[in-house]
Amino acid sequence: GAVVSQHPSRVICKSGTSVKIECRSLDFQATTMFWYRQFPKQSLMLMATSNEGSKATYEQGVEKDKFLINHASLTLSTLTVTSAHPEDSSFYICSASLARQETQYFGPGTRLLVL
Amino acid sequence: QKEVEQDPGPLSVPEGAIVSLNCTYSNSAFQYFMWYRQYSRKGPELLMYTYSSGNKEDGRFTAQVDKSSKYISLFIRDSQPSDSATYLCAIASNAGNNRKLIWGLGTSLAVNP
Repeated sequence: GAVVSQHPSRVICKSGTSVKIECRSLDFQATTMFWYRQFPKQSLMLMATSNEGSKATYEQGVEKDKFLINHASLTLSTLTVTSAHPEDSSFYICSASLARQETQYFGPGTRLLVL
Repeated sequence: QKEVEQDPGPLSVPEGAIVSLNCTYSNSAFQYFMWYRQYSRKGPELLMYTYSSGNKEDGRFTAQVDKSSKYISLFIRDSQPSDSATYLCAIASNAGNNRKLIWGLGTSLAVNP
């Protein structure tokens, strides 16, 4: 149980284009989903927290107009990196949690490379 | 002082060894403690979750929490090469912080055959 999928697993795009990453909870309803960014050999950096049907809460320093998050249903959240630049290249990981639980279940991650 | 401290290692042990991984934390309001395992280029996988002081065992893994010392540990018995990964501790409070987890840096473990 508690399986989270993420798509695509890898994407290469040109600078200036937008990229959408999907995160789905496959066998449970996720009241809250989280988006993280991870650089090589570093820990997870929380970008934003989203609750179904509400606007996402962004961490300090994360541009909400650049990283658009939509959490339209209890099983799907999307992260759109708008006008991507090479410095946006990173490993993006989503996680999901059930109501009243602190544990988070992670997707496999999306590796983004912006040329 | 960081809220959660974790030695990044790397830690290298021979197959079959007992591995001890540790984190310390500063806020006594933290009540929920998790250990995740992350293989290279993969998302983290939940290994252990506990919210009380003491030990919790699951197979070869034992999670230990000492709230008085603000110290948590993960022990791996009979370590295998497949245990080679980065181990992250994650801690949460229930103080209405939107259920965010505070993460350690992760300890890189290599188990050598």
